Amino acid sequence: ETGVTQTPRHLVMGMTNKKSLKCEQHLGHNAMYWYKQSAKKPLELMFVYSLEERVENNSVPSRFSPECPNSSHLFLHLHTLQPEDSALYLCASSPRRQEKFYGYTFGSGTRLTVV
Amino acid sequence: AQSVSQHNHHVILSEAASLELGCNYSYGGTVNLFWYVQYPGQHLQLLLKYFSGDPLVKGIKGFEAEFIKSKFSFNLRKPSVQWSDTAEYFCAVILSDMRFGAGTRLTVKP
Repeated sequence: ETGVTQTPRHLVMGMTNKKSLKCEQHLGHNAMYWYKQSAKKPLELMFVYSLEERVENNSVPSRFSPECPNSSHLFLHLHTLQPEDSALYLCASSPRRQEKFYGYTFGSGTRLTVV
Repeated sequence: AQSVSQHNHHVILSEAASLELGCNYSYGGTVNLFWYVQYPGQHLQLLLKYFSGDPLVKGIKGFEAEFIKSKFSFNLRKPSVQWSDTAEYFCAVILSDMRFGAGTRLTVKP
């Protein structure tokens, strides 16, 4: 275990469904991140939260809606997704944003399939 | 925009062969560089990192990487691979946030 836990591990949803991905970290970190991992593409940084404030949104479609209720929890709410949104969604945390020495700690990801 | 390039998409080696995976970045200032490994079905794990100082960095599991500033490169090496090294390897750079290359899949044949 890395200290970053993601649930569920696998999710299959229809294009009209609403679901949420959850990330929890027990490392006392103050920054949390959502990445999208698709085959043969670089990991795409989606959202950055620092001290519970969203500090970056990398032109992500509004059908993805993040929420950070406290520094230990991060959610990604999904609605009306498209098949091309099928991917592995990774959560990561770091002691603070722009933490350059320690790097990020990653969860195992949620494998999302949109049908 | 800054980017990280990994030129090898899939590398296949036999056990005991030497490994070198390429990584180039496109940013002229101070960079902090990382290599992560992702074993099948597992999370990304930090192999090694370059922050400052000695450009030859040693990491876990016998891996090392060399930062060559003039070539904008941070290649990953291992003298003798094992079957258990079969995984996907990602190079990353932190400027404001961590950005990754597309990854290199390594298959080691027993």
